Amino acid sequence: KQEVTQIPAALSVPEGENLVLNCSFTDSAIYNLQWFRQDPGKGLTSLLLIQSSQREQTSGRLNASLDKSSGRSTLYIAASQPGDSATYLCAVASNYQLIWGAGTKLIIKP
Amino acid sequence: DVKVTQSSRYLVKRTGEKVFLECVQDMDHENMFWYRQDPGLGLRLIYFSYDVKMKEKGDIPEGYSVSREKKERFSLILESASTNQTSMYLCASSLIGQGSYEQYFGPGTRLTVT
Repeated sequence: KQEVTQIPAALSVPEGENLVLNCSFTDSAIYNLQWFRQDPGKGLTSLLLIQSSQREQTSGRLNASLDKSSGRSTLYIAASQPGDSATYLCAVASNYQLIWGAGTKLIIKP
Repeated sequence: DVKVTQSSRYLVKRTGEKVFLECVQDMDHENMFWYRQDPGLGLRLIYFSYDVKMKEKGDIPEGYSVSREKKERFSLILESASTNQTSMYLCASSLIGQGSYEQYFGPGTRLTVT
């Protein structure tokens, strides 16, 4: 049974810092891994998708890496801004369904 | 060494009582957290605070409130305890900055509501 874990559950950092969010999964047989952002009271916004054959994806200040063998993915946010404050979720596509982590609630302090 | 202390290791309360769980850390950490831990459900975040008088809801804030009047102290309040709040409650604190997020946990309070 695939399980997805995100640590930490919450994180607060000063504006301008680079930070890393972690996602781990127990079964390396995945199709892809996705990082999402969720703002309070709103739906999910897809940030990055990494196919199982890929090692990383980049979009602007965001960089996501994938290491299937160790069951880990990281989302790197460079030069954080208050607008980055949100909950970040990772989801693993495995066995034709998405398995979700519990999310990391990120607060960027001005 | 970082020290996070919780006011009680074991607590037994009756349904409807107001319950206060206190947590104190001595390392001048900005962030403090309250979790509950239940078998099969893992650790679930109730509330956290990133500064004095600041608080953010976690995953399961219903039935709980918090207070952070001083940097070193973070209190969890059960306004009217119910049996489904019987659980292990864990407090944690952490530094901020440079992506540091290692959390230091207190010993936990096992709360039983009868």
